Amino acid sequence: QLVLTQSPSASASLGTSVRLTCTLSSGHSGYAIAWHQQQTQQGPRFLMKVTSDGGHSKGDGIPDRFSGSSSGAERYLIISSLQSEDEADYYCQTWGTGIRVFGGGTKLTVL
Amino acid sequence: QLQLRESGPGLVKPSATLSLTCTVSSGSISSDNYFWGWVRQPPGKGLEWIGSAYYSGTTYYNPSLKSRVTISVDTSKNQFSLKLTSVTAADTAMYFCAGEGLFFAWGQGTLVTVSA
Repeated sequence: QLVLTQSPSASASLGTSVRLTCTLSSGHSGYAIAWHQQQTQQGPRFLMKVTSDGGHSKGDGIPDRFSGSSSGAERYLIISSLQSEDEADYYCQTWGTGIRVFGGGTKLTVL
Repeated sequence: QLQLRESGPGLVKPSATLSLTCTVSSGSISSDNYFWGWVRQPPGKGLEWIGSAYYSGTTYYNPSLKSRVTISVDTSKNQFSLKLTSVTAADTAMYFCAGEGLFFAWGQGTLVTVSA
């Protein structure tokens, strides 16, 4: 079964970097994922796709501070030079023929 | 840049059918490169995929909702629609439409409350 696992929460200080992790279920380590950001009381915003080889393709207007990478079944979202507006929920998503799956989301707090 | 906007009633009675429409602009719904999907988010919870459709008529649905969901695409209006039958309070949520392709695009969402 295709499942994405995310830690419920993360925190990091203003100006530092943070790495959020999305883990694909066993047998699905070759899947690409997408990262979406959802700020409070707003709709999701597409950030980027991350492939199994670590390549990533970002959406329009996404700052260079946001990047992605991969290792095995893990897909990462790295945010550098954290700003207050980065405080948000971050969801990963994957897809296959006939199915789309979201992770449970990680709430990022900027200290 | 692809833009999507949801429209439809914000209040639906229990056991009735929820109907929403998503209007696509700055792009063609007949694009070979996109699926068109619906996602919902109950208050205080995470995102749940409802289903997705291709302009040709191919549809995929979340197995947990499949018996109640229909997604259709109207290429003449550049719109796609969601119908969810026999709604209950558990269907109260923000409903988002999305374009799924090389990049993703999201609508701003619309709150649907199921209440008598």
